[in-house]
Amino acid sequence: AQTVTQSQPEMSVQEAETVTLSCTYDTSESDYYLFWYKQPPSRQMILVIRQEAYKQQNATENRFSVNFQKAAKSFSLKISDSQLGDAAMYFCAYRSRQTGANSKLTFGKGITLSVRP
Amino acid sequence: ETGVTQSPTHLIKTRGQQVTLRCSSQSGHNTVSWYQQALGQGPQFIFQYYREEENGRGNFPPRFSGLQFPNYSSELNVNALELDDSALYLCASSPGGSGGAEQFFGPGTRLTVL
Repeated sequence: AQTVTQSQPEMSVQEAETVTLSCTYDTSESDYYLFWYKQPPSRQMILVIRQEAYKQQNATENRFSVNFQKAAKSFSLKISDSQLGDAAMYFCAYRSRQTGANSKLTFGKGITLSVRP
Repeated sequence: ETGVTQSPTHLIKTRGQQVTLRCSSQSGHNTVSWYQQALGQGPQFIFQYYREEENGRGNFPPRFSGLQFPNYSSELNVNALELDDSALYLCASSPGGSGGAEQFFGPGTRLTVL
């Protein structure tokens, strides 16, 4: 079974600064997806960024980028130029890409990010 | 394009009762997954439906059951409610049998069991 670990329950960042959120995972599979989801107080889970395990290049979406280390099973999220609207709970999630597997997501416990003005 | 919708938004039940939560998937999506999110925790996978058939189930007892309809909307039923069932229930839809890469989430139903 796959597991996702987010060991930092809370982090804080100054507006306009950069912050990195950590995530590690455990799997015996070689083909999978990794995601970062954002959940603001409104509860709507929003996809931030996605990484395919077979791609060596780290994914980037505007101010959000990841550092994907497949051998180390590490998947961190970097938020640059932090904005007040980035304050939310962030979840790291794993999804198998194996043939025949369903597309369930396995989530970490999440990290609460606060942004100081 | 309409996103994933869920009803009701909030629900209060007493222990032992039964509850039905509803989810309308995003247009063009035939796969629906349900998750339970306890306060301050990450979502836990309950089960998934693909073209009206259950396609995987998490570690939840049989009193959690579901349905998917021909229009791909879905219901989550919970019988004999327990206090620990109090949580946010999230529905997510995705395209294709393997679900595509991404799941799109609804706003959730907050269930409180007294």
